[in-house]
Amino acid sequence: GAVVSQHPSRVICKSGTSVKIECRSLDFQATTMFWYRQFPKQSLMLMATSNEGSKATYEQGVEKDKFLINHASLTLSTLTVTSAHPEDSSFYICSVQDAGGKVGETQYFGPGTRLLVL
Amino acid sequence: KNQVEQSPQSLIILEGKNCTLQCNYTVSPFSNLRWYKQDTGRGPVSLTIMTFSENTKSNGRYTATLDADTKQSSLHITASQLSDSASYICVVLNGTASKLTFGTGTRLQVTL
Repeated sequence: GAVVSQHPSRVICKSGTSVKIECRSLDFQATTMFWYRQFPKQSLMLMATSNEGSKATYEQGVEKDKFLINHASLTLSTLTVTSAHPEDSSFYICSVQDAGGKVGETQYFGPGTRLLVL
Repeated sequence: KNQVEQSPQSLIILEGKNCTLQCNYTVSPFSNLRWYKQDTGRGPVSLTIMTFSENTKSNGRYTATLDADTKQSSLHITASQLSDSASYICVVLNGTASKLTFGTGTRLQVTL
């Protein structure tokens, strides 16, 4: 499978600050990347779909002004949690999709980023 | 509503024993079903992916089954090892919306 990296793996920040999480596809060019959030003992919840060169598509209930997504290149997407609050503390996971594949068939997940907002 | 339900929620077994995890789904139209293993604090890693026409697929000690008529899948782990301790997530792809629906997972603990 493809190699997907996320940075940082863990981050602790103060309430009100912004945090940027990077997701990199190391093996292939990813036209589409997905951002998920996972709370303890819960399933992954899709937050948004990031498309290279265009605006991200956000799921219902996800504030696009709070979770800024930038997919500036075919190998990098960033998620910025703006004005973070303790309730934003969660495990954020990205996944990348091979440009030649269909959704779900060629989706590879990153190792995740643990965010703790104090 | 598209849903994926897994059972049991958690399971403890002795090393060397076998176990079977269950997944029931209501996602329609169905495209494919995937089982992932997620270690604590890590991202999910794919174990198997099954399409409508596939009934059984194996990956080493992992064997997945799919009954598209009853909308059920199972993941059988043979000769469990301590490293099998993880959450196992069943994920179903909606063929129309191209959306993945995730189950809440089964947390497996393998002990000595």
